[in-house]
Amino acid sequence: QVQLVQSGAEVKKPGASVKVSCKASGYTFTASYIHWVRQAPGQGLEWMGWINPNSGVTKYTQRFQGRVTMSRDTSISTAYMELTGLSSDDTALYYCAREGIGWRLDDWGQGTLVTVSS
Amino acid sequence: QSALTQSASVSGSPGQSITISCTGSSSDVGGYDYVSWYQQHPGKAPKLLIFDVTNRPSGVSHRFSGSKSGNTAYLTISGLQADDEASYYCTSYTVSGTVIFGGGTKLTVL
Repeated sequence: QVQLVQSGAEVKKPGASVKVSCKASGYTFTASYIHWVRQAPGQGLEWMGWINPNSGVTKYTQRFQGRVTMSRDTSISTAYMELTGLSSDDTALYYCAREGIGWRLDDWGQGTLVTVSS
Repeated sequence: QSALTQSASVSGSPGQSITISCTGSSSDVGGYDYVSWYQQHPGKAPKLLIFDVTNRPSGVSHRFSGSKSGNTAYLTISGLQADDEASYYCTSYTVSGTVIFGGGTKLTVL
């Protein structure tokens, strides 16, 4: 069965960067886009971007342009999301999700809590 | 780009039906049949309920159905059950090649 296992919780200071990993198993890693979605405490879901693990091509929402980098290591079936210039507004649960056909997010990781605090 | 518009909350009694709306524009909901709906229980990851406007993944109850008219998509839940109490989010593909979420609707089963 498909599994997406994310890295553990992080605590960062304002201005720092964070890199979250998402290890995939149960399917061919390069066959499905990986999306990143975040959820601030008590708030809704916010889409951040996607990466094509086969080509490495990425697409980010404008809000995070210049601050987010999505990457992958196909040798270990792992996708990464790095966010720089952290502020308290970036405190959130960050999810990776596997796209099925047609922009649907079929499978989700367990989420990684990133807390930004001085 | 602003989030798709969903009502903040909706409620219904067990056995009843409710409908949640998701309004966008011709650049997203109205322009593509790539609308999905997700259910999220507190403390859990979202779960796909509906994709491509009307389709259910295997394992999702027939009580959940989706539709679209113009720039607005709808999720209908029939025969409400206590376990349906959760937050529901719509998403759509956009003309920019991105994905956009709705603000979410919290369903209370009375």
